[in-house]
Amino acid sequence: KQEVTQIPAALSVPEGENLVLNCSFTDSAIYNLQWFRQDPGKGLTSLLLIQSSQREQTSGRLNASLDKSSGRSTLYIAASQPGDSATYLCAAGGSYIPTFGRGTSLIVHP
Amino acid sequence: DADVTQTPRNRITKTGKRIMLECSQTKGHDRMYWYRQDPGLGLQLIYYSFDVKDINKGEISDGYSVSRQAQAKFSLSLESAIPNQTALYFCATSDPTSGSTDTQYFGPGTRLTVL
Repeated sequence: KQEVTQIPAALSVPEGENLVLNCSFTDSAIYNLQWFRQDPGKGLTSLLLIQSSQREQTSGRLNASLDKSSGRSTLYIAASQPGDSATYLCAAGGSYIPTFGRGTSLIVHP
Repeated sequence: DADVTQTPRNRITKTGKRIMLECSQTKGHDRMYWYRQDPGLGLQLIYYSFDVKDINKGEISDGYSVSRQAQAKFSLSLESAIPNQTALYFCATSDPTSGSTDTQYFGPGTRLTVL
């Protein structure tokens, strides 16, 4: 059974810092790896999806990488802003069904 | 207008009551999912459906049932609600034939409280 772990569980940084969120998965036979953002009490918004054949995806200040052999993905956020404060979840896509991590709660303070 | 909608957005009910949560989507996707989220935990899959005639149990289906009335509609029922079913419930859709392969699109969630 796939297990997805996200470290750290919570992170507080000052505005402007570059930061890295980590996601690890136990079964490397994944179809894709997706990163989501969730604001308090709200639904999930897809940020980036990396196919199993890809190594990274970029969108604006976000960059996600995937290393299947080591079972790891990272989400890099450049020049963090208070508006980036949210919970970030990763999901490892198996045979049609994704497995979610518990998320990293990020606070960016001015 | 939102592509994936859920009704109701909030619901408080009592133990033993039957509850139905509804999900509608305008994305034209065949695949639909129901998840629950508990504080500090990831999302757990309850049921999923890959087309109108397809229903599959997820990892925590006990105490729940679903109905796929049409491509656009997927309902989740709690036959006899219990307090540990208090959670945030999400509906999601995906379309593996689209350019963004199998990206999941989520509804805004239903907050259910069982007293």
